[in-house]
Amino acid sequence: EVQLVQSGAEVKKPGESLKISCKAAGYSFSSHWIGWVRQMPGKGLEWMGIIYPGDSDSRYSPSFQGQVTLSADKSISTAYLQWSSLKASDTAMYYCARLHYDTSGYYYLGHWGQGTLVTVSS
Amino acid sequence: DIQMTQSPSSLSASVGDRVTITCRASQSISTYLNWYQQKPGKAPKLLIYGASSLQSGVPSRFSGSGSGTDFTLTISSLQPEDFATYYCQQSYSTLMYTFGQGTKLEIK
Repeated sequence: EVQLVQSGAEVKKPGESLKISCKAAGYSFSSHWIGWVRQMPGKGLEWMGIIYPGDSDSRYSPSFQGQVTLSADKSISTAYLQWSSLKASDTAMYYCARLHYDTSGYYYLGHWGQGTLVTVSS
Repeated sequence: DIQMTQSPSSLSASVGDRVTITCRASQSISTYLNWYQQKPGKAPKLLIYGASSLQSGVPSRFSGSGSGTDFTLTISSLQPEDFATYYCQQSYSTLMYTFGQGTKLEIK
């Protein structure tokens, strides 16, 4: 069974750094893209970016380029999302999700983590 | 970037109603369109991919249609568990899969 288990809620101050994780199980971690999605309080889903754990190839949405960094550790089947200097506006729920590929050529997010709530407040 | 616009933003309906949600893309995306359902405090769940393919385990009262720029999600007979927020997502733009702003389906 495919599972994505994310790290627990975080409370941080502006300017602090943070790295949250998404641990995969039940499939070949290196062979499937992992996407990250932000959901600010009471708002919709926003596509942040995606990483291929096999070679750490990463693509970022223009809105998040330079604001966050995606990484992955194949040895422990874990993907990461990190910030070097948090802002209050980074307060949100963050989801990781595995990208699935259908034989008809369609891509979709078929499995999701439970989400990590990040709160940034002074 | 491909922009996705859903309508309406919110919708009130009753159990048993037939409901349709619309999603429009800013450019043609063929049938590279997914639909997700999100309930409060939960992660999104895939309902439909490829505009009309029902994900395994999803009830057949959900259906999707459309191609090019205009798409619809239809729930044929609303059940109490269907009250949630629904999102469309395009998967046409390589590895840049934008979402619509969501449609909140509430009980009338």
